Amino acid sequence: GQQVMQIPQYQHVQEGEDFTTYCNSSTTLSNIQWYKQRPGGHPVFLIQLVKSGEVKKQKRLTFQFGEAKKNSSLHITATQTTDVGTYFCAGFLNSGYALNFGKGTSLLVTP
Amino acid sequence: NAGVTQTPKFQVLKTGQSMTLQCAQDMNHEYMSWYRQDPGMGLRLIHYSVGAGITDQGEVPNGYNVSRSTTEDFPLRLLSAAPSQTSVYFCASTRGSNTGELFFGEGSRLTVL
Repeated sequence: GQQVMQIPQYQHVQEGEDFTTYCNSSTTLSNIQWYKQRPGGHPVFLIQLVKSGEVKKQKRLTFQFGEAKKNSSLHITATQTTDVGTYFCAGFLNSGYALNFGKGTSLLVTP
Repeated sequence: NAGVTQTPKFQVLKTGQSMTLQCAQDMNHEYMSWYRQDPGMGLRLIHYSVGAGITDQGEVPNGYNVSRSTTEDFPLRLLSAAPSQTSVYFCASTRGSNTGELFFGEGSRLTVL
Protein backbone atom coordinates (compact mmCIF):
# COMPACT_ATOMS: atom_id res chain seq x y z
CA GLY A 1 0.00 0.00 0.00
CA GLN A 2 0.85 3.65 -0.10
CA GLN A 3 3.67 4.59 2.27
CA VAL A 4 3.12 8.33 2.06
CA MET A 5 0.18 9.53 4.11
CA GLN A 6 -1.40 12.93 3.65
CA ILE A 7 -3.92 14.85 5.76
CA PRO A 8 -6.48 16.27 5.65
CA GLN A 9 -8.26 14.70 2.70
CA TYR A 10 -10.41 17.77 2.17
CA GLN A 11 -10.26 21.38 3.32
CA HIS A 12 -12.81 24.12 2.70
CA VAL A 13 -11.74 27.67 3.54
CA GLN A 14 -12.96 31.18 3.01
CA GLU A 15 -10.83 33.30 0.73
CA GLY A 16 -8.13 34.99 2.79
CA GLU A 17 -7.81 32.19 5.33
CA ASP A 18 -4.66 30.12 5.66
CA PHE A 19 -4.35 26.46 4.64
CA THR A 20 -1.94 23.68 5.59
CA THR A 21 -1.58 20.11 4.36
CA TYR A 22 0.67 17.55 6.03
CA CYS A 23 2.57 14.62 4.60
CA ASN A 24 4.06 11.72 6.59
CA SER A 25 6.15 8.76 5.49
CA SER A 26 6.79 5.48 7.29
CA THR A 27 10.36 5.52 5.97
CA THR A 28 13.04 8.14 5.49
CA LEU A 29 12.75 9.91 2.17
CA SER A 30 15.68 10.97 0.02
CA ASN A 31 13.62 13.94 -1.08
CA ILE A 32 9.99 15.00 -1.29
CA GLN A 33 8.08 16.67 -4.07
CA TRP A 34 4.83 18.62 -4.11
CA TYR A 35 2.35 18.79 -6.98
CA LYS A 36 -0.85 20.70 -7.66
CA GLN A 37 -3.72 19.38 -9.76
CA ARG A 38 -6.47 21.74 -10.83
CA PRO A 39 -9.96 20.23 -11.28
CA GLY A 40 -10.02 18.31 -14.56
CA GLY A 41 -6.29 18.82 -15.09
CA HIS A 42 -3.08 16.92 -14.61
CA PRO A 43 -0.59 17.17 -11.73
CA VAL A 44 1.92 19.98 -12.07
CA PHE A 45 5.20 20.08 -10.19
CA LEU A 46 5.53 22.76 -7.51
CA ILE A 47 8.77 22.08 -5.68
CA GLN A 48 11.29 19.53 -4.44
CA LEU A 49 12.84 19.49 -0.97
CA VAL A 50 16.06 17.58 -0.38
CA LYS A 51 17.76 18.68 2.83
CA SER A 52 16.73 17.88 6.37
CA GLY A 53 14.84 20.83 7.87
CA GLU A 54 14.66 22.62 4.54
CA VAL A 55 12.17 25.46 4.11
CA LYS A 56 11.32 26.97 0.75
CA LYS A 57 8.90 29.71 -0.19
CA GLN A 58 7.05 30.47 -3.39
CA LYS A 59 5.12 33.70 -2.92
CA ARG A 60 2.28 32.71 -0.53
CA LEU A 61 3.31 29.03 -0.40
CA THR A 62 5.75 27.73 2.23
CA PHE A 63 7.13 24.20 2.04
CA GLN A 64 8.92 22.44 4.88
CA PHE A 65 10.85 19.16 5.11
CA GLY A 66 11.15 17.60 8.55
CA GLU A 67 14.41 17.11 10.39
CA ALA A 68 14.08 13.33 10.17
CA LYS A 69 13.08 13.56 6.48
CA LYS A 70 9.88 11.64 7.21
CA ASN A 71 7.38 14.47 7.09
CA SER A 72 6.63 17.60 5.14
CA SER A 73 4.07 20.37 5.00
CA LEU A 74 2.68 22.91 2.59
CA HIS A 75 1.25 26.12 3.99
CA ILE A 76 -0.66 28.67 1.94
CA THR A 77 -1.09 32.13 3.42
CA ALA A 78 -4.20 34.14 2.59
CA THR A 79 -5.76 31.70 0.14
CA GLN A 80 -7.20 32.88 -3.16
CA THR A 81 -9.73 31.22 -5.44
CA THR A 82 -6.88 30.39 -7.80
CA ASP A 83 -5.48 28.07 -5.11
CA VAL A 84 -8.37 25.63 -5.63
CA GLY A 85 -7.19 22.13 -6.50
CA THR A 86 -5.67 19.01 -5.06
CA TYR A 87 -2.21 19.15 -3.54
CA PHE A 88 -0.10 15.99 -3.54
CA CYS A 89 3.13 15.16 -1.83
CA ALA A 90 5.32 12.43 -3.28
CA GLY A 91 8.42 10.57 -2.18
CA PHE A 92 10.61 7.88 -3.64
CA LEU A 93 10.31 4.31 -2.39
CA ASN A 94 13.40 2.46 -1.24
CA SER A 95 14.27 1.38 -4.78
CA GLY A 96 14.74 5.01 -5.69
CA TYR A 97 12.92 4.65 -8.99
CA ALA A 98 9.23 4.76 -8.04
CA LEU A 99 7.65 8.03 -6.93
CA ASN A 100 4.96 7.25 -4.36
CA PHE A 101 2.15 9.78 -4.04
CA GLY A 102 0.02 10.60 -1.05
CA LYS A 103 -3.75 10.58 -1.58
CA GLY A 104 -3.77 14.36 -1.79
CA THR A 105 -5.60 17.19 -0.06
CA SER A 106 -8.42 18.79 -2.00
CA LEU A 107 -8.69 22.50 -1.28
CA LEU A 108 -11.87 24.43 -1.93
CA VAL A 109 -11.77 28.22 -1.54
CA THR A 110 -14.99 30.18 -1.47
CA PRO A 111 -15.00 33.95 -2.04
CA ASN B 1 8.36 20.64 -27.55
CA ALA B 2 5.06 18.92 -26.95
CA GLY B 3 6.17 17.41 -23.62
CA VAL B 4 4.23 14.24 -22.72
CA THR B 5 1.46 13.28 -25.13
CA GLN B 6 -1.21 10.74 -24.27
CA THR B 7 -3.81 9.23 -26.58
CA PRO B 8 -6.70 8.71 -26.53
CA LYS B 9 -8.12 11.30 -24.12
CA PHE B 10 -11.35 9.34 -23.70
CA GLN B 11 -12.21 5.69 -24.31
CA VAL B 12 -15.16 3.45 -23.54
CA LEU B 13 -14.61 -0.30 -23.55
CA LYS B 14 -16.71 -3.36 -22.92
CA THR B 15 -15.57 -5.93 -20.39
CA GLY B 16 -13.06 -8.29 -21.97
CA GLN B 17 -11.93 -5.95 -24.73
CA SER B 18 -8.28 -5.02 -25.12
CA MET B 19 -6.72 -1.68 -25.84
CA THR B 20 -3.49 0.28 -25.65
CA LEU B 21 -3.01 3.70 -24.11
CA GLN B 22 -0.25 5.51 -25.92
CA CYS B 23 2.34 7.75 -24.29
CA ALA B 24 5.14 9.64 -25.99
CA GLN B 25 7.60 12.23 -24.74
CA ASP B 26 9.98 14.40 -26.73
CA MET B 27 12.25 15.52 -23.90
CA ASN B 28 14.69 12.59 -24.13
CA HIS B 29 13.75 11.51 -20.60
CA GLU B 30 15.00 8.13 -19.45
CA TYR B 31 12.38 7.57 -16.77
CA MET B 32 8.71 7.06 -17.65
CA SER B 33 5.79 5.83 -15.60
CA TRP B 34 2.06 5.15 -15.64
CA TYR B 35 -0.32 6.10 -12.83
CA ARG B 36 -4.01 5.61 -12.35
CA GLN B 37 -6.14 8.06 -10.42
CA ASP B 38 -9.35 7.08 -8.69
CA PRO B 39 -11.51 9.25 -6.40
CA GLY B 40 -10.08 9.34 -2.88
CA MET B 41 -7.13 7.14 -3.85
CA GLY B 42 -4.68 9.65 -5.20
CA LEU B 43 -2.18 8.57 -7.83
CA ARG B 44 -1.13 4.93 -7.80
CA LEU B 45 1.85 3.68 -9.76
CA ILE B 46 1.11 0.91 -12.27
CA HIS B 47 4.40 0.35 -14.10
CA TYR B 48 7.55 2.30 -14.69
CA SER B 49 10.65 2.22 -16.86
CA VAL B 50 14.13 3.54 -16.21
CA GLY B 51 15.18 3.27 -19.84
CA ALA B 52 14.58 1.53 -23.13
CA GLY B 53 14.20 -2.20 -22.63
CA ILE B 54 13.76 -1.93 -18.85
CA THR B 55 10.39 -2.01 -17.09
CA ASP B 56 9.24 -2.79 -13.58
CA GLN B 57 6.01 -3.12 -11.62
CA GLY B 58 4.57 -0.48 -9.40
CA GLU B 59 1.90 -0.69 -6.72
CA VAL B 60 -1.02 -1.88 -8.89
CA PRO B 61 0.36 -3.76 -11.94
CA ASN B 62 -2.22 -6.55 -12.30
CA GLY B 63 -4.16 -6.43 -15.55
CA TYR B 64 -1.68 -4.17 -17.29
CA ASN B 65 1.34 -4.77 -19.51
CA VAL B 66 4.01 -2.35 -20.66
CA SER B 67 7.02 -2.33 -22.93
CA ARG B 68 9.70 0.24 -23.67
CA SER B 69 11.25 -0.34 -27.08
CA THR B 70 12.32 3.29 -27.54
CA THR B 71 13.20 6.16 -25.22
CA GLU B 72 10.24 8.16 -26.50
CA ASP B 73 7.34 5.71 -26.17
CA PHE B 74 5.84 3.85 -23.22
CA PRO B 75 2.48 2.24 -24.11
CA LEU B 76 0.17 0.72 -21.50
CA ARG B 77 -1.82 -2.35 -22.57
CA LEU B 78 -5.02 -3.69 -21.09
CA LEU B 79 -5.35 -7.26 -22.33
CA SER B 80 -8.85 -7.97 -21.01
CA ALA B 81 -10.52 -4.89 -19.61
CA ALA B 82 -12.52 -5.11 -16.37
CA PRO B 83 -14.88 -2.54 -14.77
CA SER B 84 -12.33 -2.14 -11.96
CA GLN B 85 -10.00 -0.58 -14.52
CA THR B 86 -12.33 2.37 -15.04
CA SER B 87 -10.09 5.26 -14.10
CA VAL B 88 -8.08 8.24 -15.29
CA TYR B 89 -4.63 7.22 -16.44
CA PHE B 90 -1.62 9.51 -16.41
CA CYS B 91 1.71 8.97 -18.09
CA ALA B 92 4.70 10.85 -16.70
CA SER B 93 8.37 11.26 -17.49
CA THR B 94 11.42 12.71 -15.79
CA ARG B 95 15.04 13.27 -16.62
CA GLY B 96 16.50 11.57 -13.55
CA SER B 97 15.75 8.42 -11.61
CA ASN B 98 15.05 9.95 -8.19
CA THR B 99 15.41 13.65 -8.65
CA GLY B 100 13.75 16.31 -10.69
CA GLU B 101 10.14 16.96 -11.48
CA LEU B 102 7.73 14.58 -13.16
CA PHE B 103 6.10 15.91 -16.31
CA PHE B 104 2.58 14.54 -16.72
CA GLY B 105 0.48 14.03 -19.80
CA GLU B 106 -3.05 15.39 -19.84
CA GLY B 107 -4.56 12.04 -18.94
CA SER B 108 -6.72 9.36 -20.53
CA ARG B 109 -10.18 8.75 -19.11
CA LEU B 110 -11.16 5.10 -19.51
CA THR B 111 -14.59 3.66 -18.82
CA VAL B 112 -15.12 -0.11 -18.85
CA LEU B 113 -18.73 -1.21 -19.05
